[in-house]
Amino acid sequence: NAGVMQNPRHLVRRRGQEARLRCSPMKGHSHVYWYRQLPEEGLKFMVYLQKENIIDESGMPKERFSAEFPKEGPSILRIQQVVRGDSAAYFCASSPFSSGGQRSEKLFFGSGTQLSVL
Amino acid sequence: AQKVTQAQTEISVVEKEDVTLDCVYETRDTTYYLFWYKQPPSGELVFLIRRNSFDEQNEISGRYSWNFQKSTSSFNFTITASQVVDSAVYFCALRGTNAGKSTFGDGTTLTVKP
Repeated sequence: NAGVMQNPRHLVRRRGQEARLRCSPMKGHSHVYWYRQLPEEGLKFMVYLQKENIIDESGMPKERFSAEFPKEGPSILRIQQVVRGDSAAYFCASSPFSSGGQRSEKLFFGSGTQLSVL
Repeated sequence: AQKVTQAQTEISVVEKEDVTLDCVYETRDTTYYLFWYKQPPSGELVFLIRRNSFDEQNEISGRYSWNFQKSTSSFNFTITASQVVDSAVYFCALRGTNAGKSTFGDGTTLTVKP
């Protein structure tokens, strides 16, 4: 049973280009979360998606960033017109179902995509 | 609003020493979940433990132990007889009744020297 797969592992972009980060959740998981880790900082929540739905995008910058999790295929985090400040490690996590009441499943994390903007 | 504070940015110990990583949290939720994750130099995040707010029983797993004190809103992590392979960044996280969002601390970088 493969874990959460993220690709590419490293992505280099020049300012103004687009970055597309992919995340395939674990088999059977229908919930995907994206986190950003800036240098010397902790993980910051960006967005939570279920298949074809954005559930919580309170951590997403208002402009240039978007995320989707289509019915088929991986979840995509898209950053348009990248700037140097977007350089960070982007982690995807998945879980089999959402928490509620007294249950909460742990998140399974991918290895992350290191985005470098030149 | 939720907040997780890991006051120790970096800790350095010599192998076989015991080390405790502190975690203090804030939340208004009455039901919540606390986690510790390990991020070794390779970068991936590895789940270590989950604890819910109704269970204050401390837990031991091998050389790892966790002390959950609801009265002080702390969830500290102790490594006994540390080893070089324990060198990593350790994150404490809090997840409330909002299903999606987990709030992470800024992490504590542990260096274990031989």
